[in-house]
Amino acid sequence: EVQLVESGGGLVQPGGSLRLSCAASGFTFSSYWMSWVRQAPGKGLEWVANMKQDGSEKYYVDSVKGRFTISRDNAKNSLYLQMNSLRAEDTAVYYCARGNTNYGYWGQGTLVTVSS
Amino acid sequence: DIQMTQSPSSVSASVGDRVTITCRASQGIGSWLAWYQQKPGKAPKLLIYAASSLQSGVPSRFSGSGSGTDFTLTISSLQPEDFATYYCQQANNFPRTFGGGTKVEIK
Repeated sequence: EVQLVESGGGLVQPGGSLRLSCAASGFTFSSYWMSWVRQAPGKGLEWVANMKQDGSEKYYVDSVKGRFTISRDNAKNSLYLQMNSLRAEDTAVYYCARGNTNYGYWGQGTLVTVSS
Repeated sequence: DIQMTQSPSSVSASVGDRVTITCRASQGIGSWLAWYQQKPGKAPKLLIYAASSLQSGVPSRFSGSGSGTDFTLTISSLQPEDFATYYCQQANNFPRTFGGGTKVEIK
């Protein structure tokens, strides 16, 4: 059974940093693109970033470029999102999702709240 | 960036009704379109990919059509478990973008 489990969310002050993790199991992690998608409270879905299997390609939405970094450790079956210079508008549930062009598996999400 | 516009933003329907949701892309995206269903407090669920391919395990009452800029998601006979919010998503370009969502409510 495919499982994606996010962790690392929490309350952080504006300008602070947070690192999200996504632990994958039930499939060959190193064979798939992986993505982060977020959803602000009461709002729609927003794609954040994704990464190719070997890490050779990474893409970001403009609003996080230069602040967020996606990475992965295929030996640990894990995906990460390093978030720096956090802003109030980054407050959202962050989902880890498997895929590049569509997302057939999602984690349960981890809530990031940016507030003083 | 490619803008995805869904209509309507909400629809009230009864069990058994046929429901159609439209998604329009700001430029041509071929068939690079997916549809998702999301229930409150839950992660989205993939329904349709490549505009018209049904994801494994998804009931056949869901269907997708379209190409280029205009796409539709149709629920042929609405069931109680289908009351949710639906999103389209394009994958022709980066950044990937989602539509604003369509909430299907009970009439």
